[in-house]
Amino acid sequence: GEDVEQSLFLSVREGDSSVINCTYTDSSSTYLYWYKQEPGAGLQLLTYIFSNMDMKQDQRLTVLLNKKDKHLSLRIADTQTGDSAIYFCAEKTGRRALTFGSGTRLQVQP
Amino acid sequence: EPEVTQTPSHQVTQMGQEVILRCVPISNHLYFYWYRQILGQKVEFLVSFYNNEISEKSEIFDDQFSVERPDGSNFTLKIRSTKLEDSAMYFCASSERLAGRSTDTQYFGPGTRLTVL
Repeated sequence: GEDVEQSLFLSVREGDSSVINCTYTDSSSTYLYWYKQEPGAGLQLLTYIFSNMDMKQDQRLTVLLNKKDKHLSLRIADTQTGDSAIYFCAEKTGRRALTFGSGTRLQVQP
Repeated sequence: EPEVTQTPSHQVTQMGQEVILRCVPISNHLYFYWYRQILGQKVEFLVSFYNNEISEKSEIFDDQFSVERPDGSNFTLKIRSTKLEDSAMYFCASSERLAGRSTDTQYFGPGTRLTVL
């Protein structure tokens, strides 16, 4: 079955770049997503990438996909304190259900 | 910007009681979903719903759970007889079905925190 793994914690200084990594097992994934969850809040869609792409950039966010290694990363440029949150990677295969990783807690230090 | 809304934000109930969690999906969306997140654990898929019927469900979604679209705007999750282990954050999501290739992007509500005592 599908499995998505992420490291649990990342700490960066304000103004630095953050890179959050994710690995997945299902090679038939069609779309991969990044969601952000702030304390007490829901899941906010940040960006997504189609599996036949290897990079997508959206303002401060850059998504890199290595399909051979089944590795996805989210880079946040010029990280701000407001970026502190939990970041979830999720994949969708042929079914509609999303499979989520365990989330990476990003802490941004001033 | 349209958004998914959920009520209540927090529900406390006694074990064995029935609860209904409510969601209003984005108005032009056709697919609806429920997920749950037990504290400290992954977000898990429960069920998806399309055209007034369940299109997919996980092994978590047993006979204690049911979903319904009682009118043109609401989407509900009912838990018939709650157990302690049902305590979790329940997220509703919706997605739009587009012609041709679609990201089928799911937009999530803020969640309902269910506490079973």
